[in-house]
Amino acid sequence: DTGVSQDPRHKITKRGQNVTFRCDPISEHNRLYWYRQTLGQGPEFLTYFQNEAQLEKSRLLSDRFSAERPKGSFSTLEIQRTEQGDSAMYLCASSLEGGGREQYFGPGTRLTVT
Amino acid sequence: AQSVAQPEDQVNVAEGNPLTVKCTYSVSGNPYLFWYVQYPNRGLQFLLKYITGDNLVKGSYGFEAEFNKSQTSFHLKKPSALVSDSALYFCAVRAGNRDDKIIFGKGTRLHILP
Repeated sequence: DTGVSQDPRHKITKRGQNVTFRCDPISEHNRLYWYRQTLGQGPEFLTYFQNEAQLEKSRLLSDRFSAERPKGSFSTLEIQRTEQGDSAMYLCASSLEGGGREQYFGPGTRLTVT
Repeated sequence: AQSVAQPEDQVNVAEGNPLTVKCTYSVSGNPYLFWYVQYPNRGLQFLLKYITGDNLVKGSYGFEAEFNKSQTSFHLKKPSALVSDSALYFCAVRAGNRDDKIIFGKGTRLHILP
């Protein structure tokens, strides 16, 4: 068990560019979650997958955001036409299925849009 | 709607003294409650959870939390604080009849003074 990994750890991009982040969950976990965290706030839910199916998307997730988990393993989060307001820490978490299951978080990808 | 409140942005405690970090919640039905800790430049780490059963749950690093249904609270406690406990602590909740996202509080920064 190597834990949840995310790549890259840091990304600086210019406004209007597209960016893509990757998350590799704990291998036996069928649930994968994306959160966004800004300074002074707790993680805010964006979307989650059960295996390859995307089951819920937050209203925070505008049309510029898209997430995939094509084979039920790793996931990608793409932001198109980035805006300065997209600057945040993007966190990925994974868990086993079940309401009482805790989520295990990756180290996050810090996005800075200039 | 589910929500979590952490009324204190920051808590200062002298090393060796007991500490309490407060959390109240609002959900429909029975709650699943979680505490996470975030150290600088690291992802969130799971500390403990309440699902059902004994109202006092024990977790990692000597932390414990007490579930109080009548007060809708889930305060984090430790009998004797260490300087190394200084970090950002997040309370989180999920409605027990749901099996999806977790809602996080804004976080409480804990400073343990030597």
